[in-house]
Amino acid sequence: NAGVTQTPKFQVLKTGQSMTLQCAQDMNHNSMYWYRQDPGMGLRLIYYSASEGTTDKGEVPNGYNVSRLNKREFSLRLESAAPSQTSVYFCASSEAPTRSHEQYFGPGTRLTVT
Amino acid sequence: DQQVKQNSPSLSVQEGRISILNCDYTNSMFDYFLWYKKYPAEGPTFLISISSIKDKNEDGRFTVFLNKSAKHLSLHIVPSQPGDSAVYFCAASAYYNTDKLIFGTGTRLQVFP
Repeated sequence: NAGVTQTPKFQVLKTGQSMTLQCAQDMNHNSMYWYRQDPGMGLRLIYYSASEGTTDKGEVPNGYNVSRLNKREFSLRLESAAPSQTSVYFCASSEAPTRSHEQYFGPGTRLTVT
Repeated sequence: DQQVKQNSPSLSVQEGRISILNCDYTNSMFDYFLWYKKYPAEGPTFLISISSIKDKNEDGRFTVFLNKSAKHLSLHIVPSQPGDSAVYFCAASAYYNTDKLIFGTGTRLQVFP
């Protein structure tokens, strides 16, 4: 099992460019999540999907869109990148809804917007 | 407003000694708490969790204590090992939105020989 995979690992964008971060999981999990990690801020939830076909906003959704393409895949799109979106992005999945709440994380995508 | 706080950005402990990482929360609706460990250039990995109906949960060298009246939890690692050197995140969720984890800012633990 690969677990949670993310592509790309690194990306540099110019302000105003768009891109899609890809995430896939092979654990047959229902829920998937996108987080960003910034220095001194911990991990903050951008969007999540409790099941195929549903998405909900997290703490910091502005500037992002998501698509739950199927049960395995959950993508994050930046339509017009801004320097404030420079961050490390993590995708995660879990068996939720359960109360164990263990989320499995991918290795992250380091994005720089110049 | 930071609902989950880890006030110590870093901690340095000698190998074999106890490491104690602390976490405070402000939202009284939180009823489930987790600790994640993160190595550089990797995603966080789940370590241990505790429900608010308990005050202690133990898993090998790792024990989490919950003090609901103080809105405080702590992670004890005994004995500490060099491989424990990582960033530790505390996280919490509320009964009314179990899908949303709120993370603290993390504590970097360094275990030296």
